[in-house]
Amino acid sequence: AQTVTQSQPEMSVQEAETVTLSCTYDTSESDYYLFWYKQPPSRQMILVIRQEAYKQQNATENRFSVNFQKAAKSFSLKISDSQLGDAAMYFCASHGGATNKLIFGTGTLLAVQP
Amino acid sequence: KAGVTQTPRYLIKTRGQQVTLSCSPISGHRSVSWYQQTPGQGLQFLFEYFSETQRNKGNFPGRFSGRQFSNSRSEMNVSTLELGDSALYLCASSFTSGGANYGYTFGSGTRLTVV
Repeated sequence: AQTVTQSQPEMSVQEAETVTLSCTYDTSESDYYLFWYKQPPSRQMILVIRQEAYKQQNATENRFSVNFQKAAKSFSLKISDSQLGDAAMYFCASHGGATNKLIFGTGTLLAVQP
Repeated sequence: KAGVTQTPRYLIKTRGQQVTLSCSPISGHRSVSWYQQTPGQGLQFLFEYFSETQRNKGNFPGRFSGRQFSNSRSEMNVSTLELGDSALYLCASSFTSGGANYGYTFGSGTRLTVV
């Protein structure tokens, strides 16, 4: 069974600073994907970044980057130059190639202080 | 291009009633999946449809069912509603090619309240 664990229920960061959100996962799939989703108060789930497990290179999307440690089954999200609009709930999720479903962590609520 | 459209946005139903939620995926996306989000249980997978066939089902009672039409639009039905069914129901569509998954795009959700 796949599991995703986010151990930080809440985090806070100052505007313009950098913050890292943690995520660990477990899967028996050899081919899988990892995602970070952002859910602001509007409830819309927004894809932040996607990582293919077979790729060694860490994914990057503008101010968002991941630290993917496959052996340790760790997939952390780094947000650089934090902005007020980054305040939201962040969910880590895994998708196994054979299961066609997303398994979500419990989320980390990120507050950005001006 | 248009995103994933879920209707209605809000619903209030009485215990024992049934409800149908609708989801229109992004054009060209053939996979549609449904998730239930509650404060207590978080985000849980309900089921996934691809080309009108249910490929995967989560651990929910038989009161929860769904279907997908030939245009990839999907509906989810909950019969004999219980108070615990109150939740945000999210639909997501995805595009796969050559076995690669390019991510899931979510709709804005349907907030169901059972009274």
